[in-house]
Amino acid sequence: SAVISQKPSRDICQRGTSLTIQCQVDSQVTMMFWYRQQPGQSLTLIATANQGSEATYESGFVIDKFPISRPNLTFSTLTVSNMSPEDSSIYLCSVDKGASYNEQFFGPGTRLTVL
Amino acid sequence: QKEVEQDPGPLSVPEGAIVSLNCTYSNSAFQYFMWYRQYSRKGPELLMYTYSSGNKEDGRFTAQVDKSSKYISLFIRDSQPSDSATYLCAISNTGNQFYFGTGTSLTVIP
Repeated sequence: SAVISQKPSRDICQRGTSLTIQCQVDSQVTMMFWYRQQPGQSLTLIATANQGSEATYESGFVIDKFPISRPNLTFSTLTVSNMSPEDSSIYLCSVDKGASYNEQFFGPGTRLTVL
Repeated sequence: QKEVEQDPGPLSVPEGAIVSLNCTYSNSAFQYFMWYRQYSRKGPELLMYTYSSGNKEDGRFTAQVDKSSKYISLFIRDSQPSDSATYLCAISNTGNQFYFGTGTSLTVIP
C-alpha cells in the first residue's frame, strides 16, 4: 500500500481566487491521479500525472482551469483556478501502488468550499 | 449508459446482520474489481481486490464476481457499528482505466 497526505485538508475560498492542493506519497510512484468527488456522485477523474511529462486530462477538464505539477516521484499539486461555487467539492489524489498495478490508494481528500 | 451502476441506498441494518452490497457493470472487458470503504470526511480505503471471477474472503468480508452476469457483490457478515460508511465499487482494465460506482451508504445500528 502507500501512505498519502494532502494539504490543505479543507479550505473556504472566495470566488475568482485559486487554490493549490498538495499531495505527498511516502514512496516513489509512477502514476498519480487527481479526482473530484461531489455529493451523491461517483469519483470523477480529473487528470493523470506522470513524472516528467504533461498531465493527461479527462474530457471536461482543461489545464488552464486545473493546472497540475509533478516535479518528482513522490509529490504532485493540483491548482483549482478562478474558482466558482460549482468547484465546491472534495478533491482526492491517488496513486497506483499495487503489485498488479491495478489498485489505487487514496489520500484523505481536500474539502473545498467556494463562496 | 454508465460503466458501473451502484444502488446509493441508504442502507440501515441492525448490528450482527449480513449486509449485501452490489454493483453491475456494462463492459465485459473489465478484469479487476475492487471495493472501497469511505468513512465520513476521509478518503476511500481499499477493502477488497479481485481479479476475474470468483470469490475472495477476508475476515468478515467476502467479495464475489459473476462475470457472466456482470455483477459484483460485497458481503459483510456479523456487521458492526464500525462498518458504518460509504462503500464504493470500482472496476478497471489493464489500461489503468478506473470506473467507480456512486457509493452505497451503510449504517449499522447497535
